[in-house]
Amino acid sequence: GENVEQHPSTLSVQEGDSAVIKCTYSDSASNYFPWYKQELGKGPQLIIDIRSNVGEKKDQRIAVTLNKTAKHFSLHITETQPEDSAVYFCAASLHSGGSNYKLTFGKGTLLTVNP
Amino acid sequence: GAVVSQHPSWVICKSGTSVKIECRSLDFQATTMFWYRQFPKQSLMLMATSNEGSKATYEQGVEKDKFLINHASLTLSTLTVTSAHPEDSSFYICSATPAGRPNSPLHFGNGTRLTVT
Repeated sequence: GENVEQHPSTLSVQEGDSAVIKCTYSDSASNYFPWYKQELGKGPQLIIDIRSNVGEKKDQRIAVTLNKTAKHFSLHITETQPEDSAVYFCAASLHSGGSNYKLTFGKGTLLTVNP
Repeated sequence: GAVVSQHPSWVICKSGTSVKIECRSLDFQATTMFWYRQFPKQSLMLMATSNEGSKATYEQGVEKDKFLINHASLTLSTLTVTSAHPEDSSFYICSATPAGRPNSPLHFGNGTRLTVT
């Protein structure tokens, strides 16, 4: 089955700096890679996702890059703000359309943005 | 759009009792919903896939008689933890994606914190 490794487990940055979180996956058949933000006591919230036919995707201060050859994808947050502080999870899945997503999650990164 | 609601948000029960958790898709229909379990400071682990009108599919190591899943309508799936024990205490989270929209992402509810005393 799929195995997703996520690094670092904790990341502390100063407000305004950039933050980068990296993930690797094992199953070359995986084609869908979402990133979720989870605040304390809440469910994960999708912040950005990328499919394997795209190498990079950006949404305002958030960007995700995908290297299919290396089976590696990364989350980039620029101009970090204190409200970005949360646990971030990457995930991988083979998704062929429809409702069947079987996501395998990384272990999460606790991001702390210091004012 | 694509809001997933869970109820209750937290529950405390005594060992040996059963607890039902509801997962609703508020503004879309979902033929498939997913149940995850998360221990403190750990990742989400898929427990089972809930299929409307048919039996759920359980992941390896998850007892289907312990965690009963019913997906009776296109907007509601329930997870019942039967004969709960302290080791069942965890954060249970459901997720769903709109049926008929091939590339819609998976959306999660806000979870249910179960504490078994």
